[in-house]
Amino acid sequence: QVQLQESGPGVVKPSETLSLTCSVSGYPISSGYYWGWIRQPPGKGLEWIGSSYHSDSTYYNPSLKSRVTISLDRTRNQFSLKLNSVTAADTAVYFCARDRGGNHFLDYWGQGILVTVSS
Amino acid sequence: DIQLTQSPSFLSASVGDRVTLSCRASQDIAGYLAWYQQKPGKAPKLLIFAASTLQGGVPSRFSGSGSGSEYSLAISSLQPEDFATYYCQHFNSYPRVLTFGGGTTVELK
Repeated sequence: QVQLQESGPGVVKPSETLSLTCSVSGYPISSGYYWGWIRQPPGKGLEWIGSSYHSDSTYYNPSLKSRVTISLDRTRNQFSLKLNSVTAADTAVYFCARDRGGNHFLDYWGQGILVTVSS
Repeated sequence: DIQLTQSPSFLSASVGDRVTLSCRASQDIAGYLAWYQQKPGKAPKLLIFAASTLQGGVPSRFSGSGSGSEYSLAISSLQPEDFATYYCQHFNSYPRVLTFGGGTTVELK
């Protein structure tokens, strides 16, 4: 059974960098598929942040592209999200998910982690 | 960029009702559409991909249909566990952007 689990700080100060890790079990990320991040501000809808297959095949939401980096660590079976220069508008629940590629639908999700941007 | 518009935003229904949720794309998306169910405090759950293919383990009362720019998710007989918010989703190949619709919340009447 594929399982994903987000981890990272629950509070980040404005202008700093939000860093999250998604640990994957039950499937080697080196075996394929994309691995992505999605966020959901409190009470609002879902926003895709980006998906990565490898460094040369990573797609980002154009509205976040200048601030986002997604990286894969195949040795640890993890992938990470870095979002810099955060503001209160980046406060959200952040989900990691497996992106099946092709049609790019998201078949396995982590439980989500709330990140609050506050001083 | 392709926009996905879901309607209605809210839907009140009773257990046993048949309901249909709509997702309209701003252009032809050739069946590249997925549907998710999200309950409060939980991650979204994939229900349907490629417009009409049921994800494994999803009850058969859920079905997807549509083509071109018009798609729908039907629930044949609402069960208590189906009251949730539903999102449609598409990935555009150029530019490479994944988009969600705004969601439809199905509430108990």
